[in-house]
Parts: sequence; C-alpha cells; structure tokens
Amino acid sequence: SAVISQKPSRDICQRGTSLTIQCQVDSQVTMMFWYRQQPGQSLTLIATANQGSEATYESGFVIDKFPISRPNLTFSTLTVSNMSPEDSSIYLCSVEFSYTYGYTFGSGTRLTVV
Amino acid sequence: EDKVVQSPLSLVVHEGDTVTLNCSYEVTNFRSLLWYKQEKKAPTFLFMLTSSGIEKKSGRLSSILDKKELFSILNITATQTGDSAIYLCAVEYSGGSNYKLTFGKGTLLTVNP
Repeated sequence: SAVISQKPSRDICQRGTSLTIQCQVDSQVTMMFWYRQQPGQSLTLIATANQGSEATYESGFVIDKFPISRPNLTFSTLTVSNMSPEDSSIYLCSVEFSYTYGYTFGSGTRLTVV
Repeated sequence: EDKVVQSPLSLVVHEGDTVTLNCSYEVTNFRSLLWYKQEKKAPTFLFMLTSSGIEKKSGRLSSILDKKELFSILNITATQTGDSAIYLCAVEYSGGSNYKLTFGKGTLLTVNP
C-alpha cells in the first residue's frame, strides 16, 4: 500500500489565522481525499482533490474555508482558513493506492484552535 | 440519505472474550465495505469486503458481508488489551465521477486485563 507523510502532526492556532496541512504520497495517485474528524465523531469527507483540476467539495464544505491544492500526482495541501474553535478536529488525507487494500490514510493532523 | 450505522457504539470486555461488531448500511451504487481500526489519529485498514458470504480472516479477526440484508459483522476472538480502539465501518460507493467513502460513527472497544 502507499505510504503517506502528513504534516504537521499537531498544532495549536489562534482564531482568525490559517493553517496549511501537507500530504506527500510515495507513489503517484489520481485522487486524494481530505477528511475531518471532530471530537467524538466519525470521519467526514471534506473534498476530493484531482491533479490538474479544482477539488470537488462535499455538502457543507466550501473552497473559501478549505482551499485545496494538488500541484502533482504525489502531493496535496489543505488549508483551514479563518479558523474558529469549531475547526478543532483531526484532519486526515487519504488515497486509494490499490483496490485490494482499500484506502490508506495519512498520520493525521490534530488541530486545536484557541 | 446514504448512511452507515454501527452498533454498539461502545463495548467493554475482558481479555479473552469474543466480540461482534455490527455495521448496517444504506447507500446507492455500493462498491465495497471496509473495516478500519483507529487507535490514535490514522485509521489502519483491516478488511475490504465486496462479495456476500465470503469470510475474510486475519489472525483473530474475521469479517463477513451480507449484501442482501445490507450489513457486515467484525468478529474478534480471544481479545487482548491491544485490541482496544475505535473500529470504523466505511462503505465505498460511486458518487458522481469517482468513488468515495462514508463512515459510521464507530464502535469504541475497551478490553480490560
């Protein structure tokens, strides 16, 4: 399966600021997925990022709040903009490297907004 | 609305017990059902199920899918304290131009010595 390096691992940020999360995959993949896991909740898909095109956002998520870049087939970033305490969550990137082995997840970013 | 429902939401057992975790789903354009174990932040892959009635096994863990009744179970035998984690069920479905996952809320399993 793919190896995904995600950073930062954790951060504490002031409200009103922005944080950019990076994911680097060790193989080329067509699509990368970004998830949010709020405290005590399950994973919710934010958007799907294809290389060379704009990300596709799920209902309830907008590009102005969660801009995504996908400059090549191994890298993507998610920015959490104008943060509020409600954005405190774990953010995860994911890829489907091999159909047989499902989706692989990055190590996650634990974000706390104060 | 598509959804994945897991039960129980939490479970406390003693080492050596056998547990059964449940996952029911309602999605259109189903492709597969996946089980993950989440201990800290990143979910780790356990099983992918696509066909009914075929059991997948890995050590003390096993899982089976019933596509007619739209559910899956995850069994863990001879539980150990290291099995303590959140177990997530996810369903892969076709959502427009690509496949995507929708997750259940998870089952928090606590195994006491």
